Amino acid sequence: NAGVTQTPKFRVLKTGQSMTLLCAQDMNHEYMYWYRQDPGMGLRLIHYSVGEGTTAKGEVPDGYNVSRLKKQNFLLGLESAAPSQTSVYFCASSYAGQGPETQYFGPGTRLLVL
Amino acid sequence: AQSVSQHNHHVILSEAASLELGCNYSYGGTVNLFWYVQYPGQHLQLLLKYFSGDPLVKGIKGFEAEFIKSKFSFNLRKPSVQWSDTAEYFCAVPRGGGSYIPTFGRGTSLIVHP
Repeated sequence: NAGVTQTPKFRVLKTGQSMTLLCAQDMNHEYMYWYRQDPGMGLRLIHYSVGEGTTAKGEVPDGYNVSRLKKQNFLLGLESAAPSQTSVYFCASSYAGQGPETQYFGPGTRLLVL
Repeated sequence: AQSVSQHNHHVILSEAASLELGCNYSYGGTVNLFWYVQYPGQHLQLLLKYFSGDPLVKGIKGFEAEFIKSKFSFNLRKPSVQWSDTAEYFCAVPRGGGSYIPTFGRGTSLIVHP
């Protein structure tokens, strides 16, 4: 099992550019999440999904969109990147059987917006 | 909604020293509690969790945490730290209001000197 994987690992964008971060999990988990991690702020939830075809907003959804067309994938899009979106992005997944609060994290994507 | 406070933002210890990291959550009732660890350059992983039963929970690598309901606390402890324990530690609790999605504390950065 690869667990949770994220693509790309690192990216530099110019203000106004768009990009999509891909999260994939091979554990058949129902729930998937996108977080951003900033120094001193801990992890903040951007969007999450409780199943294929469903998504919901988290604490800091502005400037991001998500899609979950397949159970194993959860995409995070930035339509028009801003320097405030410079961060490390973590994807996570979980399943009901273990308690959905028990999350499995990916390795992260480091994004720099100039 | 639940909130989580981690009182120690930065902790520096020498090897073999004892460790206690504070975590408090905002309100009571039935609550599940978690500690996650993030080693340098790595993703978050579950260290230990409390769902019910014995309030003293043992996790990986010699860590333990004690749930004290009257104090709304779930402090993390280790009797003798090692250099390899250098990491960032996050306490987490479900948001509440029927949501299972965790809210994370801001994290405690632990540096252990050899």
